[in-house]
Amino acid sequence: DTAVSQTPKYLVTQMGNDKSIKCEQNLGHDTMYWYKQDSKKFLKIMFSYNNKELIINETVPNRFSPKSPDKAHLNLHINSLELGDSAVYFCASSQGTLAGELFFGEGSRLTVL
Amino acid sequence: QKEVEQNSGPLSVPEGAIASLNCTYSDRGSQSFFWYRQYSGKSPELIMSIYSNGDKEDGRFTAQLNKASQYVSLLIRDSQPSDSATYLCAVKAGGFKTIFGAGTRLFVKA
Repeated sequence: DTAVSQTPKYLVTQMGNDKSIKCEQNLGHDTMYWYKQDSKKFLKIMFSYNNKELIINETVPNRFSPKSPDKAHLNLHINSLELGDSAVYFCASSQGTLAGELFFGEGSRLTVL
Repeated sequence: QKEVEQNSGPLSVPEGAIASLNCTYSDRGSQSFFWYRQYSGKSPELIMSIYSNGDKEDGRFTAQLNKASQYVSLLIRDSQPSDSATYLCAVKAGGFKTIFGAGTRLFVKA
């Protein structure tokens, strides 16, 4: 059983389209995250939810909108995709907000043409 | 100044040697420090965490923390080709965010 699972693993789409990535964790954690890893492998936090409440919202364009329907799920919707959005998006979870260890999903590679 | 800095490498060591990976951080209030390993095309996985000054050993891995110097390191003894990966230093300052360095690529030559 995969602890943190993301779908889809690969997305290839045209500029201007809208896309969503879904994430689910079965670890019983109450905090979930979205990280973006660019072509230089730099892993940057975007959002975090704790028990469905948004607790981290980094300087990310408004085109990115996270949603957490419950503490086991965190989705990411991206409107009006741009070339610069091409990256690998990782979902992660942790037990509580103070816990250090992050458990990552396999990543969703987004390519915008 | 970047919050978490690492030498991007690549660092190349022969099999059986000690690989030494270094990291510095800017926030003096940082409390938790981590090393993640990321194989090409895979997700990061935690290999070490350290919270107090000194050394922490786990198998072939030793993490070292010096809060006064704002410095964290990871030593890999008896390096194996399977250790070839990117090693990410991560720092948590007591808030909710874990900040990652850009990673150091390690190559272990057989």
